[in-house]
Amino acid sequence: DTEVTQTPKHLVMGMTNKKSLKCEQHMGHRAMYWYKQKAKKPPELMFVYSYEKLSINESVPSRFSPECPNSSLLNLHLHALQPEDSALYLCASSQDWGSKAFFGQGTRLTVV
Amino acid sequence: QQPVQSPQAVILREGEDAVINCSSSKALYSVHWYRQKHGEAPVFLMILLKGGEQKGHDKISASFNEKKQQSSLYLTASQLSYSGTYFCGTGVGAGSYQLTFGKGTKLSVIP
Repeated sequence: DTEVTQTPKHLVMGMTNKKSLKCEQHMGHRAMYWYKQKAKKPPELMFVYSYEKLSINESVPSRFSPECPNSSLLNLHLHALQPEDSALYLCASSQDWGSKAFFGQGTRLTVV
Repeated sequence: QQPVQSPQAVILREGEDAVINCSSSKALYSVHWYRQKHGEAPVFLMILLKGGEQKGHDKISASFNEKKQQSSLYLTASQLSYSGTYFCGTGVGAGSYQLTFGKGTKLSVIP
């Protein structure tokens, strides 16, 4: 199984809502990532978990809250988002630092 | 610091060759290449580590020039399936999970 599975595929939420994005991999990878991608732009790194510990937080606003419940799961909790947060949110995993990353299909988020 | 990719876009006919460049003003440890088709996830192509290596598989290969802090991706005898946006991602050190992607090069292969 070389897949990274993200749910939901699409999400529309209001600015006062709380929602969560979910990411799952069963490749035994020790690093998991959240990226944000706007249309026609490159993916931007948000968070990295290595060995289930948060190792990188790229100065992301606190309305985004990551969580890594175990080595296979990664969540991104969303609260009080702004319309400019609308984007494709990609999850990825890799064996370790510097290894090739496998990306999920992403969650297309629209904040209204 | 974001690497600089060139060209921004290129259109090829099937069978033609292309080169995509990725350069950085910072010393690089690694360069990662990914291709993303419209509406899909980025897909890994290859990683090059400092030391000036060259890698390739099938008709896609890449080189890493450590002195110039530049990597080039070579696509030969292009196929329709090569169409997509190519991103280079640069890593700055051993042990670093941080990867900064360039703005991408949109490649369109036409019959």
